Amino acid sequence: NAGVTQTPKFQVLKTGQSMTLQCAQDMNHEYMSWYRQDPGMGLRLIHYSVGAGITDQGEVPNGYNVSRSTTEDFPLRLLSAAPSQTSVYFCASQAAGGMGYTFGSGTRLTVV
Amino acid sequence: GQQVMQIPQYQHVQEGEDFTTYCNSSTTLSNIQWYKQRPGGHPVFLIQLVKSGEVKKQKRLTFQFGEAKKNSSLHITATQTTDVGTYFCAGRNNAGNMLTFGGGTRLMVKP
Repeated sequence: NAGVTQTPKFQVLKTGQSMTLQCAQDMNHEYMSWYRQDPGMGLRLIHYSVGAGITDQGEVPNGYNVSRSTTEDFPLRLLSAAPSQTSVYFCASQAAGGMGYTFGSGTRLTVV
Repeated sequence: GQQVMQIPQYQHVQEGEDFTTYCNSSTTLSNIQWYKQRPGGHPVFLIQLVKSGEVKKQKRLTFQFGEAKKNSSLHITATQTTDVGTYFCAGRNNAGNMLTFGGGTRLMVKP
């Protein structure tokens, strides 16, 4: 039982490049979310999903896309990376009606 | 949209002193959760409060949910160096689909 697995752990991108941050959970959780964490700003919700085939925007969705084709996977796509997207990205999952989110270990992304 | 504010942003305490962080939401919440993040780590779930006026304890930690379900607090009695980290509250909206985090309170404990 691995929990929530995020890959890669570190990534450096050039401005304008695209990439996908991977997130997978093996707990059969319905809810999954992506957050970004910037110094002094806490965790801000990018996109979330309440089940396979269902996604919605959070507080800061611009520049990011998500899909949820399976219960297990919730990839986050950066369409055209910008320096403002330099951050630590966390994926989290929770069972519907469950008690709290389980977070992955994060992806530290730098855009130069 | 829903906003969750948390104060203070930072707190330095001497080991053995008490610590409290406060959380306020702009809207009524269905529940509130608390997380702890150690430096360099990821947030770890501590507890969830659901009922108006609810109080829960975990050893030296006491969590409260306000009567109006818009505010919450976390109190740590007699802090230890192992309590170091950032404590986040997170409020779930009444639709139940979004969890919004406060900005966190970073606790530093001097031995």
